[in-house]
Amino acid sequence: AQSVAQPEDQVNVAEGNPLTVKCTYSVSGNPYLFWYVQYPNRGLQFLLKYITGDNLVKGSYGFEAEFNKSQTSFHLKKPSALVSDSALYFCAVRAVSGSARQLTFGSGTQLTVLP
Amino acid sequence: DAMVIQNPRYQVTQFGKPVTLSCSQTLNHNVMYWYQQKSSQAPKLLFHYYDKDFNNEADTPDNFQSRRPNTSFCFLDIRSPGLGDAAMYLCATSSRGGPSYNEQFFGPGTRLTVL
Repeated sequence: AQSVAQPEDQVNVAEGNPLTVKCTYSVSGNPYLFWYVQYPNRGLQFLLKYITGDNLVKGSYGFEAEFNKSQTSFHLKKPSALVSDSALYFCAVRAVSGSARQLTFGSGTQLTVLP
Repeated sequence: DAMVIQNPRYQVTQFGKPVTLSCSQTLNHNVMYWYQQKSSQAPKLLFHYYDKDFNNEADTPDNFQSRRPNTSFCFLDIRSPGLGDAAMYLCATSSRGGPSYNEQFFGPGTRLTVL
């Protein structure tokens, strides 16, 4: 079975500082990895994904994530946080092979960027 | 713009009174998903359609049913809502191929309140 761990329920960072939201995963075989962001009372918005190729993936709104196979991690990063980045962030995984089409989501990390 | 639309955005029903939530998409994706999300928790997959093939998650209660009359529309029927069914319900779509393969596109969600 595949799983995702987001070890931090809450991350606080000052505006202008770099931010990191952590994610580790477990899956049989190679993974597809995703980050989504959710604003209050809204659906999930896609930020970025890792399918194959370069381990550093760049996404929307200046976010990026680095795939680390040996550490089974896919941490989300941004060099300079904005107050508007404050939201709930979900990491998700699915296996490359197999018939399962569904994503498995982490429990979410609430990011608060302080002005 | 191609998108996933959910109606209504907010739904109030009474305990035990059947309710239907709707989802439509202009992306022409062949996979549609329904998720339940409670209190900023991870979205929980209820079921999904791969074209007309219905796939129910093992732990989805029988109280939840779904219909997909055509590619564009998908409905979530809750036959006898209980207080524990109050949640945000998210619809998502994905395609079998193309540049966005494996990515799920989410609607804005319907927040269900059960009185």
